[in-house]
Amino acid sequence: SAVISQKPSRDICQRGTSLTIQCQVDSQVTMMFWYRQQPGQSLTLIATANQGSEATYESGFVIDKFPISRPNLTFSTLTVSNMSPEDSSIYLCSVDVGTEAFFGQGTRLTVV
Amino acid sequence: LAKTTQPISMDSYEGQEVNITCSHNNIATNDYITWYQQFPSQGPRFIIQGYKTKVTNEVASLFIPADRKSSTLSLPRVSLSDTAVYYCLSPWMDSSYKLIFGSGTRLLVRP
Repeated sequence: SAVISQKPSRDICQRGTSLTIQCQVDSQVTMMFWYRQQPGQSLTLIATANQGSEATYESGFVIDKFPISRPNLTFSTLTVSNMSPEDSSIYLCSVDVGTEAFFGQGTRLTVV
Repeated sequence: LAKTTQPISMDSYEGQEVNITCSHNNIATNDYITWYQQFPSQGPRFIIQGYKTKVTNEVASLFIPADRKSSTLSLPRVSLSDTAVYYCLSPWMDSSYKLIFGSGTRLLVRP
């Protein structure tokens, strides 16, 4: 199993600013995943973060808007840049252990 | 890549058995079927996974017919705390090890 800690759990931010979300795992993992979940919607994958290489972004997500760091095998950050109200969502990180995925509690972001 | 289809919502009452069916017509030979549960303000949580026939754990049962084009998650004697969104994933990840979430089924358990 894996225990994932996400910080902050929630935040209210002004438009035009940036927020960095941290994800800490209690074990070393090869890949970490970042998801966005808009209100009442399912999860959408933003990017996959591998240690030692650039993150791989899904269609519709770009590095300038969502820069990701992966400095080691237990930690990753996702930055939501130049925020607008449309970025108000829950952001979750996830890791796979065997055939099971584990998720953080999520970061609820509100942009005003 | 298999696409899953499941009901958007279901209602039930405490103590009833709930069956949520998921369609995955294009499932590949090596694909597993996995179900996740998500409570409000929490990340999804693994419930059960199977390949064929029937799998049972302490939380649920998963029934998969021989053609594997559908699966049914069965929750015995639901309680109010089972109110959540249930996601069927198949495959549980694609070739790049990414989870692909569909729309999920929003289950409401009433007293």
